[in-house]
Amino acid sequence: SQTIHQWPATLVQPVGSPLSLECTVEGTSNPNLYWYRQAAGRGLQLLFYSVGIGQISSEVPQNLSASRPQDRQFILSSKKLLLSDSGFYLCAWSRWGGSYEQYFGPGTRLTVT
Amino acid sequence: GENVEQHPSTLSVQEGDSAVIKCTYSDSASNYFPWYKQELGKGPQLIIDIRSNVGEKKDQRIAVTLNKTAKHFSLHITETQPEDSAVYFCAASMGGGSQGNLIFGKGTKLSVKP
Repeated sequence: SQTIHQWPATLVQPVGSPLSLECTVEGTSNPNLYWYRQAAGRGLQLLFYSVGIGQISSEVPQNLSASRPQDRQFILSSKKLLLSDSGFYLCAWSRWGGSYEQYFGPGTRLTVT
Repeated sequence: GENVEQHPSTLSVQEGDSAVIKCTYSDSASNYFPWYKQELGKGPQLIIDIRSNVGEKKDQRIAVTLNKTAKHFSLHITETQPEDSAVYFCAASMGGGSQGNLIFGKGTKLSVKP
């Protein structure tokens, strides 16, 4: 069976500090990978998606970047955090080859102070 | 681009009653409509989905209906239980791969009172 991991679970960072959130998927090969952000009381906003190693598409202009150094690893980064970067960050995966279903990880709660 | 509207934003029902959440979408090319349940502090969990070639799908106490002409779809939960309390999200997409990016509604907070 497939499992998706995210860490850390919670993070408190000062404004201007760097960020690195990690997501890994087990039990599948060449998944599509996604980063979403969920602001308090709002829906999920797609930030980045990746259909393969080194292939990253950005959905919205922002202070964040994403990388996929390995097949099942997806990293969300920032060089300098802003207060507006606070939120709940979710990683998701879907099967390669036109699969419809997306499965979410447990999320990382980021608070920028 | 696609836009998904979800109603109501909050819903309170008595245990044993039914709950209905409705979503509308704007892009007639959308062909996949999942529903997610999110408990506090956790990631969303896929609970049921429907594709555009089907009008209704049922899984035990939950069902989803789709009206392609009107571009709306609904989640129905029967015999609600306290553990059904959560935030429910609908979403729409145009298929897999790079076209499979989900557009989400803003969510419905369901409270089931014992």
